[in-house]
Amino acid sequence: GAGVSQSPRYKVAKRGQDVALRCDPISGHVSLFWYQQALGQGPEFLTYFQNEAQLDKSGLPSDRFFAERPEGSVSTLKIQRTQQEDSAVYLCASSWGLGLAGGQGINEQFFGPGTRLTVL
Amino acid sequence: GESVGLHLPTLSVQEGDNSIINCAYSNSASDYFIWYKQESGKGPQFIIDIRSNMDKRQGQRVTVLLNKTVKHLSLQIAATQPGDSAVYFCAESPPDSGAGSYQLTFGKGTKLSVIP
Repeated sequence: GAGVSQSPRYKVAKRGQDVALRCDPISGHVSLFWYQQALGQGPEFLTYFQNEAQLDKSGLPSDRFFAERPEGSVSTLKIQRTQQEDSAVYLCASSWGLGLAGGQGINEQFFGPGTRLTVL
Repeated sequence: GESVGLHLPTLSVQEGDNSIINCAYSNSASDYFIWYKQESGKGPQFIIDIRSNMDKRQGQRVTVLLNKTVKHLSLQIAATQPGDSAVYFCAESPPDSGAGSYQLTFGKGTKLSVIP
């Protein structure tokens, strides 16, 4: 079956441009997460959706970052006026469950391959 | 493919040997821990998890050990294979706050290189 997919896989932007990164979660997954992974680092939490509701956006680094999931499936992470420090891999993950701490199975987070964003 | 292993601690092991990867976690209130494997150009893949009320859990060829006293987590891989070469991250999650958010906090990662 299809896993989490993300597009584009690679994005090069000039500083100041706006970008939109897309995540297609596994069909039927309730929870969706975005993470940012800088080179040589572990992923860092950005934001979390339960269906279409954005329940946690505490990890978004600035108001230039905006995420949406209007119909509770596909999600888009938008970055406005990109800066060089935004260069990273942006990972999306989804899970069946409601995001409550739990083990493999209903709450396991399945990750997509990521979008590598390079800001020149 | 993209490398996620730059500037990371590296562990080199001979094929067939056992590997031990260590992680120090930060939040003493965390009650759930996961090990992920990340290959170049891919997202993290679940390996094994453990709750804070346990100190050891075994899977297929993998064992996770948890020492809450010193906030230390380890991943043991038996009979390491070339396909095990990847970057390994530990991740922790705090107790459920009731807000429905399941934030994972990842460690810095260790690059495992298996020598055939």
